[in-house]
Amino acid sequence: QVTLRESGPALVKPTQTLTLTCTFSGFSLSTSGMCVSWIRQPPGKALEWLALIDWDDDKYYSTSLKTRLTISKDTSKNQVVLTMTNMDPVDTATYYCARIYSSVQLVHDYWGQGTLVTVSS
Amino acid sequence: EIVMTQSPATLSVSPGERATLSCRASQSVSSNLAWYQQKPGQAPRLLIYGASTRATGIPARFSGSGSGTEFTLTISSLQSEDFAVYYCQQYNNWPRLTFGGGTKVEIK
Repeated sequence: QVTLRESGPALVKPTQTLTLTCTFSGFSLSTSGMCVSWIRQPPGKALEWLALIDWDDDKYYSTSLKTRLTISKDTSKNQVVLTMTNMDPVDTATYYCARIYSSVQLVHDYWGQGTLVTVSS
Repeated sequence: EIVMTQSPATLSVSPGERATLSCRASQSVSSNLAWYQQKPGQAPRLLIYGASTRATGIPARFSGSGSGTEFTLTISSLQSEDFAVYYCQQYNNWPRLTFGGGTKVEIK
């Protein structure tokens, strides 16, 4: 059974750095083809893909947010961490992590429930 | 970046009727297109991938079609649990993934 769960602060101040952790089970990020994405969704708005890390530790970022994002993994802990620097109120959103098994299809087949992050002073 | 445009933004449909949702890509994405359903307060759920293949456990009333730049999600007979927001996502430009703006299917 595949599960993912996001964790991190619910509230951050402008200019601070956000650190989110995705803890997963039911698969291994050392398996060839396995990837984890981060996606966010501002309240009432659409989904936005942020970053992806794969089994080979290759990392990819949204072009528009590339300078602010860092994604990493700890395979032994089954965790993927996303950091976003210089947070702004427009970054207020629900942040999701989701799995892609690229050996099958390049789509997000399992999602976490999301964590709402509010940026406010 | 490939831009995905969904229309209409809101679709009002009566239960039992057919719903047709559109998704257009700014350049060809071949058949590398997925559809997701999102209900209030929930994470998105994968419905369709490869433009027309239903994901595991998805009812047959959901069907996808199209290729290149024009795609359609059809719900043949809307059930109460189908009222939700639907997103398309391209993965042709892997790994630079992009989602559409969503279509809300509401009860008429």
